[in-house]
Amino acid sequence: EVQLVESGGGFVQPGGSLRLSCAASGLIFSSSWMTWVRQAPGKGLEWVANIKEDGSEKYYVDSVKGRFTISRDNAENSLYLQMNSLRVEDTAVYYCATGGGRFEIWGQGTMVIVSS
Amino acid sequence: DIQMTQSPSSLSASVGDRVTISCRASQSIYNSLNWYQQKPGEAPKLLIFIASSLQSGVPPRFSGSGSGTDFTLTISSLQPEDLATYYCQQNYNTPRTFGQGTKLEIK
Repeated sequence: EVQLVESGGGFVQPGGSLRLSCAASGLIFSSSWMTWVRQAPGKGLEWVANIKEDGSEKYYVDSVKGRFTISRDNAENSLYLQMNSLRVEDTAVYYCATGGGRFEIWGQGTMVIVSS
Repeated sequence: DIQMTQSPSSLSASVGDRVTISCRASQSIYNSLNWYQQKPGEAPKLLIFIASSLQSGVPPRFSGSGSGTDFTLTISSLQPEDLATYYCQQNYNTPRTFGQGTKLEIK
């Protein structure tokens, strides 16, 4: 069974940093594009970033460019999202998902709250 | 960026009803359109990909159609467990963008 488990969310003040992790199992992780999607409280889904199988290509939504960095460790079957200079508007549940275009498997999400 | 617009934003229907949800792209995306279902408190689930292909394990009462800029998700006979918010999403280009969602309630 394919499973994705996110961790690393929490409460942080504006301007702070967090690193999210996504542990994958049950799939050939090194052969999968991976994606981060977020959902602000009571709002819709927003694509954040994705990364190619070997990490050679990375893409971001404009609102996080220069602040967030997506990365992966294929040896550890793990995906990461380093989030710096966090803003109140980054408050959301962050999901990792398999795929770069269509998102077949999703994790349960990890909550990030940015507040003073 | 490609804007995705869903209609209606919410709807209420009875068990057994045929339900349709529309999604319009701001430019042609050919058939690069996916549909997701998100039940309350859960992560989204892929229902339909490439506009009309049913994801494995999804009940056949769900179907998708359309191409270019106009797409439709149809539930042929609504079931109580279909209570959810439904999202369309384009993967024609980056950034990937979602519609604002359609909240489906059961009468």
